[in-house]
Amino acid sequence: ETGVTQTPRHLVMGMTNKKSLKCEQHLGHNAMYWYKQSAKKPLELMFVYNFKEQTENNSVPSRFSPECPNSSHLFLHLHTLQPEDSALYLCASSPSPRGSDTQYFGPGTRLTVL
Amino acid sequence: QQQVKQSPQSLIVQKGGISIINCAYENTAFDYFPWYQQFPGKGPALLIAIRPDVSEKKEGRFTISFNKSAKQFSLHIMDSQPGDSATYFCAASKETSGSRLTFGEGTQLTVNP
Repeated sequence: ETGVTQTPRHLVMGMTNKKSLKCEQHLGHNAMYWYKQSAKKPLELMFVYNFKEQTENNSVPSRFSPECPNSSHLFLHLHTLQPEDSALYLCASSPSPRGSDTQYFGPGTRLTVL
Repeated sequence: QQQVKQSPQSLIVQKGGISIINCAYENTAFDYFPWYQQFPGKGPALLIAIRPDVSEKKEGRFTISFNKSAKQFSLHIMDSQPGDSATYFCAASKETSGSRLTFGEGTQLTVNP
């Protein structure tokens, strides 16, 4: 559909677990993003990558660790999360990080931290 | 600091009616205003966008009205259909490279048959 896939779609983890979220875009874009979506709150931008280089870290706690091995793949490594980290995590991509470039979102990973 | 405020939080409209969602922004440097639509289980998708050099943009049943002096913009959905039931997010950014999208809180629209 949108050309951006995310796995897994659902994840339940304990506070001491380590897990990773994966995002892949098939659109040939150069910019990729991680967002956190919580109920009744605006989408929160977490990280921005442009040509594999991190260009923005929006004061995200170190228990979230992004990795971008190439322009098509983006990972979010999770460790020692807190229950308040439970949310929908969305990956997006765009041709470039220009503010007016359309961002294409994946379906998200629904994360529950017990 | 919430730079884009969106209202209402939820909206129920009868089929065929007009749905109106409003947003207000604070940063006068913003010069790009998109609306995203999100269906359950899906990520947001761009619906329509406007730049401040025009006061209105229409695409099919969807219209953005923009008031630069009031720093407000709104989405109008004419002849609303049950298939329009979704969450709508307004957003704002600067067109320049490295500018982030700042989203509103979202409006959950339900169109009853």
